[in-house]
Amino acid sequence: GAGVSQSPSNKVTEKGKDVELRCDPISGHTALYWYRQSLGQGLEFLIYFQGNSAPDKSGLPSDRFSAERTGGSVSTLTIQRTQQEDSAVYLCASSLGGTQPQHFGDGTRLSIL
Amino acid sequence: RKEVEQDPGPFNVPEGATVAFNCTYSNSASQSFFWYRQDCRKEPKLLMSVYSSGNEDGRFTAQLNRASQYISLLIRDSKLSDSATYLCVVNGNLKAAGNKLTFGGGTRVLVKP
Repeated sequence: GAGVSQSPSNKVTEKGKDVELRCDPISGHTALYWYRQSLGQGLEFLIYFQGNSAPDKSGLPSDRFSAERTGGSVSTLTIQRTQQEDSAVYLCASSLGGTQPQHFGDGTRLSIL
Repeated sequence: RKEVEQDPGPFNVPEGATVAFNCTYSNSASQSFFWYRQDCRKEPKLLMSVYSSGNEDGRFTAQLNRASQYISLLIRDSKLSDSATYLCVVNGNLKAAGNKLTFGGGTRVLVKP
């Protein structure tokens, strides 16, 4: 069956540009998470959506980062005025609910020149 | 104190040997526990859930110790293909919407011939 789909797989952009990363969760999964992971580092939690509840944005590193989840399905992570330190793999995961195991997409590898 | 803590390793393991490692968590009310495996430059994948009574899946055994607030993973008869980073996941902040799951930093395991 279809898993979590992320696009693009790779994104290279210049410093200062805005980028949008997309995540299409598994159908029926109400919980959606965004993480980022720098090379050789652990997962850094960014934001969590659960159903119609207000998202947990506690992991967003700055106000340049924002995310939306429209219609309880597809989510978009937006990074404005990108900086070189934003370079990382951005991973999306979804689950049936907050306490259920997460299933990850392949990630978007973001490189800021 | 971090919500979920792991020894980063690496654990260097001879092929065929047994290796075990723990993950401690800070929230005594946590109820959901999982082990994930992450290969280099790949997304994390669910290895197994951890149940109160302990559970086994082939060469892998997971245990939960609520009194001391840790979970453990034991790998018997290690294979070269077991080399990976093992991430523990615990449901963390009960005040957040839907009991968000929190990842530990991972334990790196290297199985050598």
